[in-house]
Amino acid sequence: NAGVMQNPRHLVRRRGQEARLRCSPMKGHSHVYWYRQLPEEGLKFMVYLQKENIIDESGMPKERFSAEFPKEGPSILRIQQVVRGDSAAYFCASSNRDNTDTQYFGPGTRLTVL
Amino acid sequence: EDKVVQSPLSLVVHEGDTVTLNCSYEVTNFRSLLWYKQEKKAPTFLFMLTSSGIEKKSGRLSSILDKKELSSILNITATQTGDSAIYLCAVVNYNAGNMLTFGGGTRLMVKP
Repeated sequence: NAGVMQNPRHLVRRRGQEARLRCSPMKGHSHVYWYRQLPEEGLKFMVYLQKENIIDESGMPKERFSAEFPKEGPSILRIQQVVRGDSAAYFCASSNRDNTDTQYFGPGTRLTVL
Repeated sequence: EDKVVQSPLSLVVHEGDTVTLNCSYEVTNFRSLLWYKQEKKAPTFLFMLTSSGIEKKSGRLSSILDKKELSSILNITATQTGDSAIYLCAVVNYNAGNMLTFGGGTRLMVKP
């Protein structure tokens, strides 16, 4: 499967725990984006990364959220000290450098905070 | 702030019907508009539009952009139950990097 891969697909955390969401971009893609879809809301941009660089994090909450895309391995979205309001579907997308507007999405990680 | 509004919010049709979904946008420096289909999982890319008046077509689906009216339509002819999904419209602003700004979507249900 050459598509965007995300894991886990479902993640349950208790309040105060950490959540780590992983994303492997489509083969040949070097640009990764994270979006969040809150219940009954539309998809909202969080962060845009290239290898080892955060390009745009204007949509990231200021506290508890961080993202990285290391030289080797998947991109990671990390949420520390989760709260109930973090419960959402988190989607990763990727694009190639020649057409960054056409973003291909992964299946998402559904985070539930108890 | 960029804004994307989709209409109708939801739509119920019967197999074989033709549907037209609308997307209107307010963007300070428009670059492109994209359509996605979202079932229970990943939004699946359908079309990217950058030029007015040029129709993009894929099977029974087609889409066109009108930059004068700041809008786009997505047409689905001879609908099938497999077309049931949420259809999402998104825009890209030259001034906002590579971020997609999404509308709220149109929920389409096709009944047999």
